[in-house]
Amino acid sequence: ETGVTQSPTHLIKTRGQQVTLRCSSQSGHNTVSWYQQALGQGPQFIFQYYREEENGRGNFPPRFSGLQFPNYSSELNVNALELDDSALYLCASSFWNSYEQYFGPGTRLTVT
Amino acid sequence: ELKVEQNPLFLSMQEGKNYTIYCNYSTTSDRLYWYRQDPGKSLESLFVLLSNGAVKQEGRLMASLDTKARLSTLHITAAVHDLSATYFCAVAQGTGNQFYFGTGTSLTVIP
Repeated sequence: ETGVTQSPTHLIKTRGQQVTLRCSSQSGHNTVSWYQQALGQGPQFIFQYYREEENGRGNFPPRFSGLQFPNYSSELNVNALELDDSALYLCASSFWNSYEQYFGPGTRLTVT
Repeated sequence: ELKVEQNPLFLSMQEGKNYTIYCNYSTTSDRLYWYRQDPGKSLESLFVLLSNGAVKQEGRLMASLDTKARLSTLHITAAVHDLSATYFCAVAQGTGNQFYFGTGTSLTVIP
């Protein structure tokens, strides 16, 4: 059984640029959630996707957007990057409404 | 808006001592999770608590949930250096089980 994978591992971008982060769900999982973890803080819920539709969104601006594909993999897109977007981005996969989520290793984004 | 608070934020304890980390949350939920995070790493699941009065133990760690008080505790018994890490509690909300994390407790166990 393959776990949750994320790419890239690390990324450096310049303020104002756009970035796409990728997540491959654990086999069979149809729900993906994204979280942002700034340095020294707890992860914050960005949004969740189920069956390619957004199902719930945290307190993040519209420049954070996502996609889920038919194979349940997912992308997180961030436009007009700001310095405060520097963080560890975690995705988690699960079966719909299952109590357990499985976290990937994360993507470390640095915005300069 | 759901708020999840942990205390203490920082904890330095001697090996062999006992201590408790507290997690309070602001709205009703019967799904509470504890995670461990080592520096630069992702989250490692420790406990899943799914009902009022739930208690789970693994090694030197024991977690409990009181849904009426909206309180969970993580008790550390006879701490060892390997337990040094940041510990997060998370409360699940919504039809899709969306997680809301606490502020984290940075634990350092000193010899």
